[in-house]
Amino acid sequence: DAGVTQSPTHLIKTRGQQVTLRCSPISGHKSVSWYQQVLGQGPQFIFQYYEKEERGRGNFPDRFSARQFPNYSSELNVNALLLGDSALYLCASSFFGARQFFGPGTRLTVL
Amino acid sequence: SQQGEEDPQALSIQEGENATMNCSYKTSINNLQWYRQNSGRGLVHLILIRSNEREKHSGRLRVTLDTSKKSSSLLITASRAADTASYFCATEPPLTQGGSEKLVFGKGTKLTVNP
Repeated sequence: DAGVTQSPTHLIKTRGQQVTLRCSPISGHKSVSWYQQVLGQGPQFIFQYYEKEERGRGNFPDRFSARQFPNYSSELNVNALLLGDSALYLCASSFFGARQFFGPGTRLTVL
Repeated sequence: SQQGEEDPQALSIQEGENATMNCSYKTSINNLQWYRQNSGRGLVHLILIRSNEREKHSGRLRVTLDTSKKSSSLLITASRAADTASYFCATEPPLTQGGSEKLVFGKGTKLTVNP
């Protein structure tokens, strides 16, 4: 079975631009979570979606938004990019209440 | 914000030695998990220990949990060069009605196993 997939692998943007990151969960998983990992730190929770509804939101500004589609894939959008948004963005999927499986991440660089 | 704090921040050992990493956390938990990350790539789940468990084994891994001290330890026995990676503990708060299952990670321990 395929694991969690994320696209793109790497992305370079400039300040002020907008970016969309994509995540496909493991087949059968209805919960998708997003995490941001800045270099040298542990991942920080951004959002969780379950059955297309937001179930949790971390301490991130409104520039960050996400959605989940009927096939349970998800997109993370970040508007008005700042240099500090440069990070590895990780997606995780699960059967809600069970272990989360992480994708390989999208490395975002903001110049 | 980070809840967990791993200790030490970095650890360098020789192949065959044991590696012990510690994690402390602040609030009540449903479970505590350990993950491995190689060179800034995705996270690999190692082991999950529930709040009502005290010790768990998986292959060369041994995890302990002391909820009274809000701490956990990960022991890797007979380490190998391939164990070189960053190790993170992550806590999951008690699942509440309508709540999320967010994981709260520490800053990690960078383990180097020298051949």
